[in-house]
Amino acid sequence: GQQLNQSPQSMFIQEGEDVSMNCTSSSIFNTWLWYKQDPGEGPVLLIALYKAGELTSNGRLTAQFGITRKDSFLNISASIPSDVGIYFCAGQNSGGSNYKLTFGKGTLLTVNP
Amino acid sequence: DGGITQSPKYLFRKEGQNVTLSCEQNLNHDAMYWYRQDPGQGLRLIYYSQIVNDFQKGDIAEGYSVSREKKESFPLTVTSAQKNPTAFYLCASSNRVRQPQHFGDGTRLSIL
Repeated sequence: GQQLNQSPQSMFIQEGEDVSMNCTSSSIFNTWLWYKQDPGEGPVLLIALYKAGELTSNGRLTAQFGITRKDSFLNISASIPSDVGIYFCAGQNSGGSNYKLTFGKGTLLTVNP
Repeated sequence: DGGITQSPKYLFRKEGQNVTLSCEQNLNHDAMYWYRQDPGQGLRLIYYSQIVNDFQKGDIAEGYSVSREKKESFPLTVTSAQKNPTAFYLCASSNRVRQPQHFGDGTRLSIL
């Protein structure tokens, strides 16, 4: 099946620092999604990207859909303690009625106040 | 409020027992999904359903079964054939192709 490589696996940063994480794929996707998961809860959608080259922001979060359609990155600016959690990327190839997502293994973010 | 409700939050299974996890959504979404999450493994797709009375196996369907008798409900049964059922189970739904999936808050299943 398709593989997503998400990096880094974990990050430990100081409050106020900027954060960058990315996902790369062995094949192309036509949709990229970024989710955040808090402990014991389900993932929450942060940003959805539908077009190659698209750059989208959601508050302090910015994500881009790579031109090659094989990668995406997520940046968090001026991190705060509540940014702590696991961040997942997910890619989708929606041909026909295919709704399936492929997920990265996640980036664990720890923010030191 | 519109959303996805998973129950119970915690579930314990005895040896040889089948258990059923509930997932209900009131978002009027056509598609529903079940994922399994293990530490460091990300999310792996168990089963998905695009319409009522139809479902397909995902990447790790062995030892699991599902039904989709109603649009809003997609229960998952973890059978005794699943030898390593301890995990966090997540249900999701989406409206149409290229629409993001939205998740419930999960059920944590453990073996007694």
